[in-house]
Amino acid sequence: SQTIHQWPATLVQPVGSPLSLECTVEGTSNPNLYWYRQAAGRGLQLLFYSVGIGQISSEVPQNLSASRPQDRQFILSSKKLLLSDSGFYLCAWRGPGNTIYFGEGSWLTVV
Amino acid sequence: QQQVKQSPQSLIVQKGGISIINCAYENTAFDYFPWYQQFPGKGPALLIAIRPDVSEKKEGRFTISFNKSAKQFSLHIMDSQPGDSATYFCAASWEGFQKLVFGTGTRLLVSP
Repeated sequence: SQTIHQWPATLVQPVGSPLSLECTVEGTSNPNLYWYRQAAGRGLQLLFYSVGIGQISSEVPQNLSASRPQDRQFILSSKKLLLSDSGFYLCAWRGPGNTIYFGEGSWLTVV
Repeated sequence: QQQVKQSPQSLIVQKGGISIINCAYENTAFDYFPWYQQFPGKGPALLIAIRPDVSEKKEGRFTISFNKSAKQFSLHIMDSQPGDSATYFCAASWEGFQKLVFGTGTRLLVSP
């Protein structure tokens, strides 16, 4: 069966520090991968998606970047965090029939 | 055209009542309409989904009603329970489209 893991689960970072969130999917090959952000009590904002290794599409101009160095690995990064980067970050993959499956999420607080 | 409009933003229902959440779309290319359930601090999880070849799909207490001509679909939760208290998102997509378009979410509270 397919599983998705993302880490760390919780992160508190100072303004101006770098960020790296990692996500891996197991049990499938060449999946579409996604990074979403959810502000407290708000909806799901698609940040990046990838249809293959090295292929990244950016949905919204951000202080963030994404990379896909391996087939089942998706990384969200920032060189210098802003207060507005705080939120709940969700990695997801697309399964059969367009179904999207989410990870457990990573809480980022920028202080 | 890529938007999915969801209402209401929040909903309070008494235990045992029916919860109804509505979504509307414009893009007639959409052919896949899932609903997701999200508990606080967790990632959204697929609850139920429908394709436009049927007008209704039921799984336990959860039913999707789909009106193709009106370009609307809704989630009905029968016999709502406190454990159903969560945020619900509708979404839409079509085969070949790389993304899901999500509604803005409905926060449901089922009072005991």
